[in-house]
Amino acid sequence: QKEVEQDPGPLSVPEGAIVSLNCTYSNSAFQYFMWYRQYSRKGPELLMYTYSSGNKEDGRFTAQVDKSSKYISLFIRDSQPSDSATYLCAMFYVDSNYQLIWGAGTKLIIKP
Amino acid sequence: KAGVTQTPRYLIKTRGQQVTLSCSPISGHRSVSWYQQTPGQGLQFLFEYFSETQRNKGNFPGRFSGRQFSNSRSEMNVSTLELGDSALYLCASSSRGTNTEAFFGQGTRLTVV
Repeated sequence: QKEVEQDPGPLSVPEGAIVSLNCTYSNSAFQYFMWYRQYSRKGPELLMYTYSSGNKEDGRFTAQVDKSSKYISLFIRDSQPSDSATYLCAMFYVDSNYQLIWGAGTKLIIKP
Repeated sequence: KAGVTQTPRYLIKTRGQQVTLSCSPISGHRSVSWYQQTPGQGLQFLFEYFSETQRNKGNFPGRFSGRQFSNSRSEMNVSTLELGDSALYLCASSSRGTNTEAFFGQGTRLTVV
């Protein structure tokens, strides 16, 4: 079993829909959680970075962390075709020497 | 501010050859991490260098090696290339010596034939 599980998709939704992307993890030591977006033929770019349980909002994006359930989510409101990309979750804990553990990435397709 | 620069962008090599990839991090960043990305395995961590020292290492064979120079530029070398080494190799740099807020380059797409 992988430390971080993420459904690879693809997830296809109509433009304007609310998108929910999720990752589950098995190691309760993870402290920091990130979401990256990767367009085709590009490197990943950081979207959201959270530490504590709860919600963090940035524009149309909301990151949610539930440490008790070992579950993190990224919500995208009013989705746009330009949001079509692969979304990767990543996490680490300080005692691991900051090594990031990655999910497999979910391919998201927003249909106009 | 210039981003992370990886060279070359594309590379075709033959089985058995060796290859060296280069990464120039964002100015002031001291941490450089290397990743291999394939459709089947996703993003796999290779190693991280911080101030010229390898700080973390993933589960890759010894054919994969790296180094970091005093100006924080990093190189990754793969010897005795195998077909399975065909992948996108990504470099990420970070300013605080952690993997938070890592900035990625465009990657080097290596094809082994």
